[in-house]
Amino acid sequence: QKEVEQNSGPLSVPEGAIASLNCTYSDRGSQSFFWYRQYSGKSPELIMSIYSNGDKEDGRFTAQLNKASQYVSLLIRDSQPSDSATYLCAVRGAAGNKLTFGGGTRVLVKP
Amino acid sequence: EAQVTQNPRYLITVTGKKLTVTCSQNMNHEYMSWYRQDPGLGLRQIYYSMNVEVTDKGDVPEGYKVSRKEKRNFPLILESPSPNQTSLYFCASSNWGGFGELFFGEGSRLTVL
Repeated sequence: QKEVEQNSGPLSVPEGAIASLNCTYSDRGSQSFFWYRQYSGKSPELIMSIYSNGDKEDGRFTAQLNKASQYVSLLIRDSQPSDSATYLCAVRGAAGNKLTFGGGTRVLVKP
Repeated sequence: EAQVTQNPRYLITVTGKKLTVTCSQNMNHEYMSWYRQDPGLGLRQIYYSMNVEVTDKGDVPEGYKVSRKEKRNFPLILESPSPNQTSLYFCASSNWGGFGELFFGEGSRLTVL
């Protein structure tokens, strides 16, 4: 079992719709959770971080964390073609020094 | 401008020819790390450094070496590259002992023939 798992996609959504991305992790002691966006041929960039159970909103992005279910998700509202990218879930384990990435979910927003 | 700079960005080499990928950051970050990215495998950590002269293995350290003699620099050394080290490599840095946001370099695409 991979430490951080994501559906590889592609997740195809029409422009203006909500894109929902999921991520599960195996280390129950994990404390910090991140979503990075990576455009093709570019380096990852941080879009959201979440540390406690519940929802965290930033503009069109909402991160949701459920530690009991070991599950973190990202919602992209009013999806735009510029949101087309690969979204990487990253989890910092209980030990603290290690940030483990999932394989990423490719999102395609169609006009 | 705050940035992480990697060189070279692209490199084609042959098996066994030693190479170094340099990484430099200008944000005074203590934490630096190297990742490789392969299709279907995501980003995997090779080595990381919590501070000068302090380095530790990540998930896939075999075949790689690192050094951290200065805070700003964290070179990745491939003593004897092999074809299975063909990959896209990213250097990253962070403040707060690695607990803060990771800032990535632009990546170095390495091909070993």
